[in-house]
Amino acid sequence: SQTIHQWPATLVQPVGSPLSLECTVEGTSNPNLYWYRQAAGRGLQLLFYSVGIGQISSEVPQNLSASRPQDRQFILSSKKLLLSDSGFYLCAWSVGAGGETQYFGPGTRLLVL
Amino acid sequence: DQQVKQNSPSLSVQEGRISILNCDYTNSMFDYFLWYKKYPAEGPTFLISISSIKDKNEDGRFTVFLNKSAKHLSLHIVPSQPGDSAVYFCAAHNAGNMLTFGGGTRLMVKP
Repeated sequence: SQTIHQWPATLVQPVGSPLSLECTVEGTSNPNLYWYRQAAGRGLQLLFYSVGIGQISSEVPQNLSASRPQDRQFILSSKKLLLSDSGFYLCAWSVGAGGETQYFGPGTRLLVL
Repeated sequence: DQQVKQNSPSLSVQEGRISILNCDYTNSMFDYFLWYKKYPAEGPTFLISISSIKDKNEDGRFTVFLNKSAKHLSLHIVPSQPGDSAVYFCAAHNAGNMLTFGGGTRLMVKP
């Protein structure tokens, strides 16, 4: 069966510090991978998605970036965090071709102070 | 431009009664619709889905109805249980393998 991992679960970072959140998927090959953010009391906003190694599409302009160094690894990064980057970050995967259902990881709660 | 809307931010229901969560969309190109359930500080869990060629899909206590002419879908939970208390998101899929999410509805089931 497939599983998706995210770490860390919780992170408190000062403004201006760098960020690296990691997501890995097990039990599937060549998945589509996604990063979402949920701000407090709001819906899910798609940040990045990837259909393969090294292929990243950005949905919203921001100071975040994403990378996919391996087939089942997806990394969300920032060089300098802003207060507005606080939120709940979710990684998700779907079957590579024609997979409508996305499956989410446990999430990382980021608080920027 | 919100293509998927959940107009009720919250809903309170008595245990044992029916919960009806609603979702409206604007893009007629959506081909698949999903409902997710989310507890605080956890990732959303896939609940049930429906293809745009169907008007109803049932799975145990959960039924999703799709009215394409009205661009409206709903999730029925019956009977509602306290463990159903969570935030429910509807999502719509397009051919680009993207999901567009509604803003969520917080369901509270009172014992």
